[in-house]
Amino acid sequence: EIVLTQSPDFQSVTPKEKVTITCRASQSIGSSLHWYQQKPDQSPKLLIKYASQSFSGVPSRFSGSGSGTDFTLTINSLEAEDAATYYCHQSRSLPLTFGGGTKVEIK
Amino acid sequence: EVQLVESGGGLVQPGGSLRLSCSASGFTFNYWMHWVRQAPGKGPVWVSRINSDGSRTDYADSVKGRFTISRDNAKNTLYLQMNSLRVEDSAVYYCARERGGGELPIDYWGQGTLVTVSS
Repeated sequence: EIVLTQSPDFQSVTPKEKVTITCRASQSIGSSLHWYQQKPDQSPKLLIKYASQSFSGVPSRFSGSGSGTDFTLTINSLEAEDAATYYCHQSRSLPLTFGGGTKVEIK
Repeated sequence: EVQLVESGGGLVQPGGSLRLSCSASGFTFNYWMHWVRQAPGKGPVWVSRINSDGSRTDYADSVKGRFTISRDNAKNTLYLQMNSLRVEDSAVYYCARERGGGELPIDYWGQGTLVTVSS
């Protein structure tokens, strides 16, 4: 099973600040890494697919990078509506797995 | 608009059974479909998937032999039959879709249905 380790677990950030979340895979997964945003009492929403491709309708302040085992989600100029928990997810092999999540709070 | 609407959750005793349904609309139901669960305060955990015609299914080890995924393409509906339920199966269960046939991402999720296994 591919284990995804996210860091940090929690981040408190001021609006307009930049946020960086990392996801490390226990083995190489190429670019089969995707990022989701989940707000309280909502289902996860796809933000970034294949490490760096923005999903339809996602604001341009969200971007992703990385390949192999190390990946990054960046939120440029954080907005209040970005308060959420962010998860990485690998589709390289079964069982499909998710990271433990990074909760982003607005100061 | 893509819509995935789950139903069938509820309170069940350990050892009991439940059947979840997921009604799909707003897209052609030829996607691979998944069930993913999430316990309160925890991250999502993949449970099972089925290919577009139902001929291939995959399961997490934790549910293999107890859960069965199926679909009725004529009704645009996905199912999850859950038997021999355990306390640790308690979670919100989401259905989700994937374009299929490769390392594609899950792109849309339903709103979920809560399953509570407790005596």
